[in-house]
Amino acid sequence: DADVTQTPRNRITKTGKRIMLECSQTKGHDRMYWYRQDPGLGLQLIYYSFDVKDINKGEISDGYSVSRQAQAKFSLSLESAIPNQTALYFCATSDSQRGYGYTFGSGTRLTVV
Amino acid sequence: AQSVTQLDSQVPVFEEAPVELRCNYSSSVSVYLFWYVQYPNQGLQLLLKYLSGSTLVKGINGFEAEFNKSQTSFHLRKPSVHISDTAEYFCAVSESGSARQLTFGSGTQLTVLP
Repeated sequence: DADVTQTPRNRITKTGKRIMLECSQTKGHDRMYWYRQDPGLGLQLIYYSFDVKDINKGEISDGYSVSRQAQAKFSLSLESAIPNQTALYFCATSDSQRGYGYTFGSGTRLTVV
Repeated sequence: AQSVTQLDSQVPVFEEAPVELRCNYSSSVSVYLFWYVQYPNQGLQLLLKYLSGSTLVKGINGFEAEFNKSQTSFHLRKPSVHISDTAEYFCAVSESGSARQLTFGSGTQLTVLP
């Protein structure tokens, strides 16, 4: 099994619908992140969580919300999806005490029509 | 706050030729530097990292990068590329210290031609 698992892998949804993207990890890392990837823009940070009770907005948090249900689970919600939220979404984890850099999931490709 | 600039959005190169992917960063404090690779339909994988010590860092798949503090650069090189190196490459920086939050560049698409 992958260290960082994202579900679903692909999703098509309609404008105005609520959608949740899920991320779970078996790395035992305390920190988790949600990124959005658009062609030519690299990765933009949406939200990050340093532990279950510590959640922070990233650079593009408008229109998104998150929930850290447990150390291993971090979900991203789009309350009312709009077409410009069509993108590839990545979850990542890191360990504040050991190691450097992030471990990424395989991504969720979201299309809002 | 730190920032990263990847100077080339696309780099085409013929198989077995050398390649350099350029990365410049901006930060007012000391930094850690990373290169990640993203193969089609996959997540990002760590290629190599610079934390301290030797400025020449070797990574997986024959890649290496050199940290140049005076030029605030961390360019990625490979002496001879293969078709399988076709991927998108991301440079990332974090300020050294407890936060270690990464800021990514916009990516460079490396295409290796036969």
